[in-house]
Amino acid sequence: AQKVTQAQTEISVVEKEDVTLDCVYETRDTTYYLFWYKQPPSGELVFLIRRNSFDEQNEISGRYSWNFQKSTSSFNFTITASQVVDSAVYFCALSTSGGSYIPTFGRGTSLIVHP
Amino acid sequence: DSGVTQTPKHLITATGQRVTLRCSPRSGDLSVYWYQQSLDQGLQFLIHYYNGEERAKGNILERFSAQQFPDLHSELNLSSLELGDSALYFCASSVDPGLLRNTEAFFGQGTRLTVV
Repeated sequence: AQKVTQAQTEISVVEKEDVTLDCVYETRDTTYYLFWYKQPPSGELVFLIRRNSFDEQNEISGRYSWNFQKSTSSFNFTITASQVVDSAVYFCALSTSGGSYIPTFGRGTSLIVHP
Repeated sequence: DSGVTQTPKHLITATGQRVTLRCSPRSGDLSVYWYQQSLDQGLQFLIHYYNGEERAKGNILERFSAQQFPDLHSELNLSSLELGDSALYFCASSVDPGLLRNTEAFFGQGTRLTVV
C-alpha cells in the first residue's frame, strides 16, 4: 500500500517569508516517483516537479526548492521569499511500481500568503 | 494551459439524475485518469484508461462508469446521483507507454458537480 501524509493542513505566512511544506510518504516499493502539484484558487492542478526514487539530488527552480530524503521518507517543498501569488493548495503525490504507477495524493496543504 | 480539456466546467443537477463528464487528453497522450476531489476525502483516484482499455480502478462507485473512445477522449458517467457526489472531478492525461515508465500527469481544470 502507498500513502502520502501532508500533516500541515494550512499555513499562513507574510509575504517574503520562507515557508516549507512537508510531505512524508510510505511505500514498500523500491521504484517510485514523487510529485508536487499546485492548485490555485482557480481550481486547476498544476504540475510542479517529479522525482524518482533513485535520484536523491535536491532541486532548485527559482524560488522553489525540493528536499528529497529517503532516510526519512520525506519530500519537502520550500518556497523562498513567498509572494501572494503563491497562495494555493499544494499536493504531494506518490506513484509506485506496485501501485501500477497510479498517483496517490496527500490531503494537501493550503498556503496563504498575506501581503 | 495543460492541454487537457474538460467539459462542462460546472454542472448542477438533482439527486437521482445521471450526468456525463467529458475529457479530451493532451495530444499524443494515451492515458486518461479520473479523480474526484471532495472536501472530506481529498483527491481520490477513480479509474485509469490506457489506449481505450481500462487499466486500473480505484475508489469508484458502482453507480459510476467510464470509457475511453478510439479518439482517446474519455467520458465519466455518474448515475443515481446523491448529494455526496458533489465534488470537483478531474481528468488527467499522460504519455505512459504502458507500465514501464512513468511521466507526470497533466490535469484538466475540472468539472464542478453540484447535486441538489
